[in-house]
Amino acid sequence: DQQVKQNSPSLSVQEGRISILNCDYTNSMFDYFLWYKKYPAEGPTFLISISSIKDKNEDGRFTVFLNKSAKHLSLHIVPSQPGDSAVYFCAASSDDYKLSFGAGTTVTVRA
Amino acid sequence: KAGVTQTPRYLIKTRGQQVTLSCSPISGHRSVSWYQQTPGQGLQFLFEYFSETQRNKGNFPGRFSGRQFSNSRSEMNVSTLELGDSALYLCASSLELAGRTDTQYFGPGTRLTVL
Repeated sequence: DQQVKQNSPSLSVQEGRISILNCDYTNSMFDYFLWYKKYPAEGPTFLISISSIKDKNEDGRFTVFLNKSAKHLSLHIVPSQPGDSAVYFCAASSDDYKLSFGAGTTVTVRA
Repeated sequence: KAGVTQTPRYLIKTRGQQVTLSCSPISGHRSVSWYQQTPGQGLQFLFEYFSETQRNKGNFPGRFSGRQFSNSRSEMNVSTLELGDSALYLCASSLELAGRTDTQYFGPGTRLTVL
């Protein structure tokens, strides 16, 4: 049972424009959310996180928004750069030391 | 500081065999988690170890097992391999609070192919 869902398997965006990645979750116990980025032949690397006590967290070009009532979060990348082409995973946790991941969204940034 | 290392990087086995994968966490990290990645499924949590104790496990059959040593290195074992076990197995380490404020650092993974 997939508790974290990324319904868009792929996203293509022009360099310099905004990339918006979406993620939905079903488990109301989740209170910590993360985004990871993965290049081929490498393990995922941590991008940004947000606690459920916040609704927005920003780190440079990356901003994560959390809508708890809708059980929805999104990652905004502005401006998108060619090096941002990768697979992005949304993940969530409660207090049980495990992360539940979505299936990933492949982002392609076009020059 | 060296990152998370996993050995071997690639492995080919046949159905019914067993396999052991190894993970060396970042120095000082005491939590090690294992994930299985398959196309379309994302990363599925297998188990997490902290100070040689399994703190949590995912919904995988008992054929999947693991352990952690006193130096925090971890191994996972899959017995009686099935074709569906073909996947990328990822190990991640963190200081203590896996999945919370302690960032998890992932290794490059072990690509297991079962024929």
